[in-house]
Amino acid sequence: NAGVTQTPKFRILKIGQSMTLQCAQDMNHNYMYWYRQDPGMGLKLIYYSVGAGITDKGEVPNGYNVSRSTTEDFPLRLELAAPSQTSVYFCASSYDRSGLGYTFGSGTRLTVV
Amino acid sequence: AQSVTQPDIHITVSEGASLELRCNYSYGATPYLFWYVQSPGQGLQLLLKYFSGDTLVQGIKGFEAEFKRSQSSFNLRKPSVHWSDAAEYFCAVGSKSSGDKLTFGTGTRLAVRP
Repeated sequence: NAGVTQTPKFRILKIGQSMTLQCAQDMNHNYMYWYRQDPGMGLKLIYYSVGAGITDKGEVPNGYNVSRSTTEDFPLRLELAAPSQTSVYFCASSYDRSGLGYTFGSGTRLTVV
Repeated sequence: AQSVTQPDIHITVSEGASLELRCNYSYGATPYLFWYVQSPGQGLQLLLKYFSGDTLVQGIKGFEAEFKRSQSSFNLRKPSVHWSDAAEYFCAVGSKSSGDKLTFGTGTRLAVRP
């Protein structure tokens, strides 16, 4: 089925380790987003992209990096994991700027110990 | 900056009872408004959205929401709740001008009593 695929679903990292959360969509959407979800806090935007080669910071970008070399893929990189990055991460894609067509992935649950 | 407030953190209703989840937004221009549902361990699924036209919007799973500009509200309603509706519900706002991102509320967790 078409949609947004996130891998891995679960991961435990030690403090200071690095990892990449993968996100891929097969709907030819230009717009892609990374959110983190913390209990009682809703979703906070980390980074977003309006097309291949273009990325921009969201509300909470510190400690993360992204790249967008293709329309399909939008990986999120954590360079030096910290306990504050323990969260559930959601990737989403959209066919236009208004958010009318957001499709979310199923999430990656990350624990940093 | 746009913002969304969901004043109820937890709500418990009996199966078969009616439901209303509150959402208030702050945004200067005409907003696009959304309700998403998240079941445990799952991603977010779009229930319904408003961007123009009729202020009463019908969504999936028997949900509806009404946009009231004068009250800056977009409350979600369902006339008869089913046990499978137990989940977390998020209201979100976007717009054409700042639509690179959606701003989400903090969510309302719904429990359903048998």
